[in-house]
Amino acid sequence: DAGITQSPRHKVTETGTPVTLRCHQTENHRYMYWYRQDPGHGLRLIHYSYGVKDTDKGEVSDGYSVSRSKTEDFLLTLESATSSQTSVYFCAISGAGGLNEKLFFGSGTQLSVL
Amino acid sequence: GENVEQHPSTLSVQEGDSAVIKCTYSDSASNYFPWYKQELGKGPQLIIDIRSNVGEKKDQRIAVTLNKTAKHFSLHITETQPEDSAVYFCAASNRVGAGRRALTFGSGTRLQVQP
Repeated sequence: DAGITQSPRHKVTETGTPVTLRCHQTENHRYMYWYRQDPGHGLRLIHYSYGVKDTDKGEVSDGYSVSRSKTEDFLLTLESATSSQTSVYFCAISGAGGLNEKLFFGSGTQLSVL
Repeated sequence: GENVEQHPSTLSVQEGDSAVIKCTYSDSASNYFPWYKQELGKGPQLIIDIRSNVGEKKDQRIAVTLNKTAKHFSLHITETQPEDSAVYFCAASNRVGAGRRALTFGSGTRLQVQP
């Protein structure tokens, strides 16, 4: 998966607990993204980063925060997980051209909030 | 924001037949239209893409067509094989911030190729 590692691959947590998902890339790509995938909705953008410490919101950012302190790592945090955040989360990367380059996806993290 | 609609949601074809998946988009400024294939338990993988200055692009058994006037684009798979069975997503570029764009995805098409 183009040098992208997501961790953990699976997580089960309880409502109200904080959760952090990690995306690590070895491609030195500038852009990193977090998407969630739900049946009937395709992939929806949560947050994205266009450089170290440079992040912005996507279309479904409520309840999520992100951080990027190094080029290779992009963290997604659910401050207080809710059942509606049960989903498969995908990290993606693209190069200096941003959108107009190929988007490479990680293998995903299956998150269940009980 | 951008709205990308994809049809059909499921598609079953016989091996050797052709498959067509269609998408429409709403943002007239969209200029990049990729297609992704997702196999079970894996992340989506880019299979073909087209930019707004091109009407058609082919890569072996896969082709994509774009009609900017009508704001729709389609994926065509010819001579389908069982290994083409997967979920396919279309996407279109969308403005998300100051001068920036990201992809908005369709809801996906589950293609099943019957041997």
